[in-house]
Amino acid sequence: DTGVSQNPRHKITKRGQNVTFRCDPISEHNRLYWYRQTLGQGPEFLTYFQNEAQLEKSRLLSDRFSAERPKGSFSTLEIQRTEQGDSAMYLCASSEDSGRAHGELFFGEGSRLTVL
Amino acid sequence: AQRVTQPEKLLSVFKGAPVELKCNYSYSGSPELFWYVQYSRQRLQLLLRHISRESIKGFTADLNKGETSFHLKKPFAQEEDSAMYYCALSRQGAQKLVFGQGTRLTINP
Repeated sequence: DTGVSQNPRHKITKRGQNVTFRCDPISEHNRLYWYRQTLGQGPEFLTYFQNEAQLEKSRLLSDRFSAERPKGSFSTLEIQRTEQGDSAMYLCASSEDSGRAHGELFFGEGSRLTVL
Repeated sequence: AQRVTQPEKLLSVFKGAPVELKCNYSYSGSPELFWYVQYSRQRLQLLLRHISRESIKGFTADLNKGETSFHLKKPFAQEEDSAMYYCALSRQGAQKLVFGQGTRLTINP
């Protein structure tokens, strides 16, 4: 297992187009997270899955954003009608189930989105 | 709402000197606190967490609830410590991590 895998690594799109990012977590991890990071800032939480259930979702995630984890394995993050403000690094992370405690996050290398 | 503040965006020290990266938080409950690190061309990774009370790569961090701080310290900096460091907080039972803006640490030879 090479860790959390994200693709594409880079995506350049025009304003108004839709984009989709994929995340493959570490195989035995049932928790999966999406974060967004803009230049000079720390990662911002977007959403969290326990297996296939989306249990937490940030208010940052407008109705143009949707995330799925259909079989509790890989996840997709789709952004519809992209805006220039969506330009950021989208980070995926996974962790083991550690009960109520927050487990160690294992991050992917990220998918960088540039909206022209 | 929870907030994490790292007052220094940049910190530069000489090799062998002590290092302290500051982290202050605002949260009225009992937080879980973490330090994550990103070395050049590597992924973001966990450095340490307050509940473990361990020293990793010579770094320690003590949770001070009175001062709402979780500063990261190392007595003798090494060149390989140069990296971006993020302090992060979660509420107990929640899976959302709130990150600070990060501090870029540079260790000069």
